[in-house]
Order: sequence, then C-alpha cells, then structure tokens
Amino acid sequence: EDQVTQSPEALRLQEGESSSLNCSYTVSGLRGLFWYRQDPGKGPEFLFTLYSAGEEKEKERLKATLTKKESFLHITAPKPEDSATYLCAVHGSNYQLIWGAGTKLIIKP
Amino acid sequence: GAGVSQSPSNKVTEKGKDVELRCDPISGHTALYWYRQSLGQGLEFLIYFQGNSAPDKSGLPSDRFSAERTGGSVSTLTIQRTQQEDSAVYLCASSFPDSPLHFGNGTRLTVT
Repeated sequence: EDQVTQSPEALRLQEGESSSLNCSYTVSGLRGLFWYRQDPGKGPEFLFTLYSAGEEKEKERLKATLTKKESFLHITAPKPEDSATYLCAVHGSNYQLIWGAGTKLIIKP
Repeated sequence: GAGVSQSPSNKVTEKGKDVELRCDPISGHTALYWYRQSLGQGLEFLIYFQGNSAPDKSGLPSDRFSAERTGGSVSTLTIQRTQQEDSAVYLCASSFPDSPLHFGNGTRLTVT
C-alpha cells in the first residue's frame, strides 16, 4: 500500500537554528515527490518537485533532497516567516497524490 | 496571472441544509481536484476531474456528496443534507497533466 509518513509532527526552533524535516514514503513507481508549504487559512503553496534519488532543489533557505525511501527538507538559518506547516506528497503509479499529515514548523524570534 | 479561486471563503449552514461550493481553476488547467482538510489533519482526496470527466469518485464520503465540472473549467461540489461531520475546509486544486497542483484558499464549512 502506498504510504507517506512525515516527522516530526511539530518542530520548534529558534531563529537561525538549522534543522531538517523528514518525509518517508513507500510507493510503487515513484513519478514525483512534492513539497508544499501551508500557512493558516490558506491553501498549500507549491515549493519543489523531486523525481529521482540524488536530486536536490533549493529555494532561499530551503533545500529538498531525495533518496529511494525518503526526502528531507533542510531549513538553513530559518526566520520567523518560515513558520508554516510543510506537506509532502508522492505521485505513484496512478494519477493520485498520496499526502503526508505534515510537519508544523514554528520559528521563534 | 489569477490563481485558483474558491467561493464562498466561509459558509455556515444548519444541519440538513444543502450547500454548493465553487471552484474556478487556473485557465488552461485540465486536471481539477477536490480535497477535504479537517483541523490538524492531512488532505483527504474527494474527487478528480480530467476535463469534464470524473474518472475517480472513490473519495466521496457518501452519496450526499456530488461534484460536476462544466466547460472544462468551473467545478461545483454539492453536499446535500449536511451533517456536523461535514465541517471542514474544502480545497480545490488544478494542474496541467503530471504537473504540480495549484491550490485555492479553500471554503471553510461549518455545520451547526
């Protein structure tokens, strides 16, 4: 069964304290792994797509990496405006996306 | 350009009433998805449209839920005889085939 698990459920960091969020997945025939950011009261906002193991994508303080079993979202020197829920989703052999439950990130000034 | 637009942004209704939620996707996007998100929960898939066709309705929770899409564009999600457990945020997303989804800001439905 296709499955996506995100950890931790919540993460509190001080401003400037780097860390990583994890997305573990099992899916037959990975066709893409997606990272989204969701702010309260808003819809998810697309961040990255990764297609194959070893691939990396960067955007400002965020870097996403992919292996055959998991993806990491690395946050370097975060700022309070990086506080949000980060969602991971995988696209398997059918058209449906399988979503994780998200990691709520809180950055304290 | 314009993103995915959903209306209304908030809806409060009494138990047993019918509600209709609207989604205007990004122009040219052929795929359209409806999801439900309860407080603190992940995204629950409801239905997927490719053009005007809905090849997968398996996520609709009950026969009180229905959806349609006309002209390959606007979609409406209808919930009949609403129940309190229907309270949630209903999110719509659109995309080109095999491309990232673009979401609207959702309709927050409260059934009293």
